[in-house]
Amino acid sequence: DTGVSQNPRHKITKRGQNVTFRCDPISEHNRLYWYRQTLGQGPEFLTYFQNEAQLEKSRLLSDRFSAERPKGSFSTLEIQRTEQGDSAMYLCASTPGGVRSPLHFGNGTRLTVT
Amino acid sequence: ELKVEQNPLFLSMQEGKNYTIYCNYSTTSDRLYWYRQDPGKSLESLFVLLSNGAVKQEGRLMASLDTKARLSTLHITAAVHDLSATYFCAPLLNSGGSNYKLTFGKGTLLTVNP
Repeated sequence: DTGVSQNPRHKITKRGQNVTFRCDPISEHNRLYWYRQTLGQGPEFLTYFQNEAQLEKSRLLSDRFSAERPKGSFSTLEIQRTEQGDSAMYLCASTPGGVRSPLHFGNGTRLTVT
Repeated sequence: ELKVEQNPLFLSMQEGKNYTIYCNYSTTSDRLYWYRQDPGKSLESLFVLLSNGAVKQEGRLMASLDTKARLSTLHITAAVHDLSATYFCAPLLNSGGSNYKLTFGKGTLLTVNP
């Protein structure tokens, strides 16, 4: 169990550019979540996958955001035409499924849009 | 929509003292999780509370859940500096069918002073 891995750890981009983040969940965890956390706030739910199927998307997720989980393994989160309001920590979490299991969070990707 | 309120949001206490953090949530949820977050780090699972009346203890921390009152508490006994961190509660919301997601409070920033 190597934990949830996220890359990159930090990303600085200019407004209007596209960015992509990657998340590698714990092996055999079939549920994968993306959350966003801004300073002084708790994580906010963005989207969730069970295996390769994206089962739910938050209303927070505008059309500029897209997430994939090909083959039910790693996941990517892409933000197109970034805005300064997108600056945040993007957290990925995985769980083997079943409500008794807590989410295991990665270290996050900190995005700064200048 | 599920709302989660933690109080206090900021807590400064002396070593050796006791204190309780409260977590209220607005709709039915019979499962709740507590997480700890150190500055610049990701979230670490502390407790999983699965039923009404559940009580879990680990070291100087004890968490409880009252689903009827929609209330969870995190009690700190004889605080030590190492407990300084931000603590989040997160009830589990069923958002339809087999979809579940954690909804986080804003967190309680705990500072334990010598």
